[in-house]
Amino acid sequence: DQQVKQNSPSLSVQEGRISILNCDYTNSMFDYFLWYKKYPAEGPTFLISISSIKDKNEDGRFTVFLNKSAKHLSLHIVPSQPGDSAVYFCAAIGVGTDKLIFGTGTRLQVFP
Amino acid sequence: DVKVTQSSRYLVKRTGEKVFLECVQDMDHENMFWYRQDPGLGLRLIYFSYDVKMKEKGDIPEGYSVSREKKERFSLILESASTNQTSMYLCASSLDSFTDTQYFGPGTRLTVL
Repeated sequence: DQQVKQNSPSLSVQEGRISILNCDYTNSMFDYFLWYKKYPAEGPTFLISISSIKDKNEDGRFTVFLNKSAKHLSLHIVPSQPGDSAVYFCAAIGVGTDKLIFGTGTRLQVFP
Repeated sequence: DVKVTQSSRYLVKRTGEKVFLECVQDMDHENMFWYRQDPGLGLRLIYFSYDVKMKEKGDIPEGYSVSREKKERFSLILESASTNQTSMYLCASSLDSFTDTQYFGPGTRLTVL
């Protein structure tokens, strides 16, 4: 049973436009959420996180939004750059869980 | 700067062989993790360890074992490799709490023939 879902396996966006990556979760006990970015032949690297006490966290071009009632979070990248092309994983952890649960990933391609 | 290294980038083994994947971190992190990444399935946790000689099963521990004799080193062992264990294996470490950022190694692509 996939507790963290990324329903779009891929996304293609033009450079300069906004990229929106979505993530849904089913476990209401999750209270901390993270996004990781992965380039080919490299391990994932941490990008941004959000606690369930917030509904938005911003870091430069990256903003994560959390909608607890919908059990949905999204990552906005604006403006998108070709170097953002990678696979993005969302992950969650919460009360009663002692490990990160990762989503299946979304491959983002930013074209010129 | 945290560094997590994995012993091999690419590995090819035969069915039935015993396989050792080594991971070393240099930041005195308490927690270490082994994941596998497969298309359409994301990252799935195999085993993790929160202290030397301690280990906990993740979501898919079957067919694997681990060893953590030293704090900086976490080994993943495939006792008898099978073709369905062909995958990308990723090691990670984090400082202390399970919400601490996990730092990943570059991965080992294992092919079992």
